[in-house]
Amino acid sequence: DADVTQTPRNRITKTGKRIMLECSQTKGHDRMYWYRQDPGLGLRLIYYSFDVKDINKGEISDGYSVSRQAQAKFSLSLESAIPNQTALYFCATAGEFDEQYFGPGTRLTVT
Amino acid sequence: EDQVTQSPEALRLQEGESSSLNCSYTVSGLRGLFWYRQDPGKGPEFLFTLYSAGEEKEKERLKATLTKKESFLHITAPKPEDSATYLCAVQALGGSQGNLIFGKGTKLSVKP
Repeated sequence: DADVTQTPRNRITKTGKRIMLECSQTKGHDRMYWYRQDPGLGLRLIYYSFDVKDINKGEISDGYSVSRQAQAKFSLSLESAIPNQTALYFCATAGEFDEQYFGPGTRLTVT
Repeated sequence: EDQVTQSPEALRLQEGESSSLNCSYTVSGLRGLFWYRQDPGKGPEFLFTLYSAGEEKEKERLKATLTKKESFLHITAPKPEDSATYLCAVQALGGSQGNLIFGKGTKLSVKP
């Protein structure tokens, strides 16, 4: 089984809808991250969490919120989706030496 | 401002044709430099971490090297299965622990 899982893998939604992307990990890591990837822009950090009670904004947090329900679970929400939030979203965890392990990604399309 | 630049954006090689990918970085102090491989539609896969100038790491046909301002990913006698996008990321001293700054990647295509 994969160490970092994301659900759903694909999602199409309409402008204005609220959606949640979920991430679970079995690596036992405290640090978790949400990124988005856009063609030509690379990976950009949305939010990160060092433990259940420590959540921080990343480079592009506007329009997003997160919830760290447990050490193993970190969810990303789009309160009111807009078309420019169409992207590939990745969850990641960080190991002892700061190397990050990524999930398979969620492809989100906002119409 | 901390920055990572990868070149070239895309590289096409024939099977067996060795080459190198470049990652130039500007940070106030380097804590670590990371290389990842990303296949289409998948999450990045961790390859190497380098911490200091002169350090080298190897894995199969890949060797990563580090200087004070850049890193190279050397690919020796590549095979079609090495085709992927290779991402470089840096972690700055004094930055939020564990946070990485990613380059935009080099898309490698290896033709048989």
